[in-house]
Amino acid sequence: NAGVTQTPKFRVLKTGQSMTLLCAQDMNHEYMYWYRQDPGMGLRLIHYSVGEGTTAKGEVPDGYNVSRLKKQNFLLGLESAAPSQTSVYFCASSYLGQGKSEAFFGQGTRLTVV
Amino acid sequence: AQKITQTQPGMFVQEKEAVTLDCTYDTSDPSYGLFWYKQPSSGEMIFLIYQGSYDQQNATEGRYSLNFQKARKSANLVISASQLGDSAMYFCAMRGRTGGFKTIFGAGTRLFVKA
Repeated sequence: NAGVTQTPKFRVLKTGQSMTLLCAQDMNHEYMYWYRQDPGMGLRLIHYSVGEGTTAKGEVPDGYNVSRLKKQNFLLGLESAAPSQTSVYFCASSYLGQGKSEAFFGQGTRLTVV
Repeated sequence: AQKITQTQPGMFVQEKEAVTLDCTYDTSDPSYGLFWYKQPSSGEMIFLIYQGSYDQQNATEGRYSLNFQKARKSANLVISASQLGDSAMYFCAMRGRTGGFKTIFGAGTRLFVKA
């Protein structure tokens, strides 16, 4: 019963390096999200996807790219990491549409850019 | 645009007492959902309770209840009989059609339960 799995859990990058965070869900959810969590700012939406092959910008999309080639996977890429991208990143998924469709979260990825 | 506001960065409550965590929201959607999540110090996000905008009654889940006042656009979380394990960050969230059904979150309230 895996739910939402994020890899890696921790990562340290040097400024300018690139990396990809992987999110996988096994609940057949249509929606998938990437958030970043910073102290005092809650969870801010970076990008999200409403289905395979679709992506959309959230509140803070600059410096990130995403892809959803398969329904169960949602990748977050940092092409050229900056110290401002030091954060805890959460992936989540949910059912499509209205009603009680709470988000299910991964365990988070703590990223430090030095 | 949709927005969630949590105005209490931190709250203290005595063990076994009740506490209310405030949440106000802004949306033009006629239909939307409101959620509360708990984040303990271990970091995981735990879903607590859901309220639909057309629900006639306030939602309850065990010791958690949601004081939903639609006209005021508020969805406060009430935790009864606080326990030490309730010490955590609490996030209010919303999902609606105008936002493409994406879920947006407030800044959170850190709750401290005192023994």
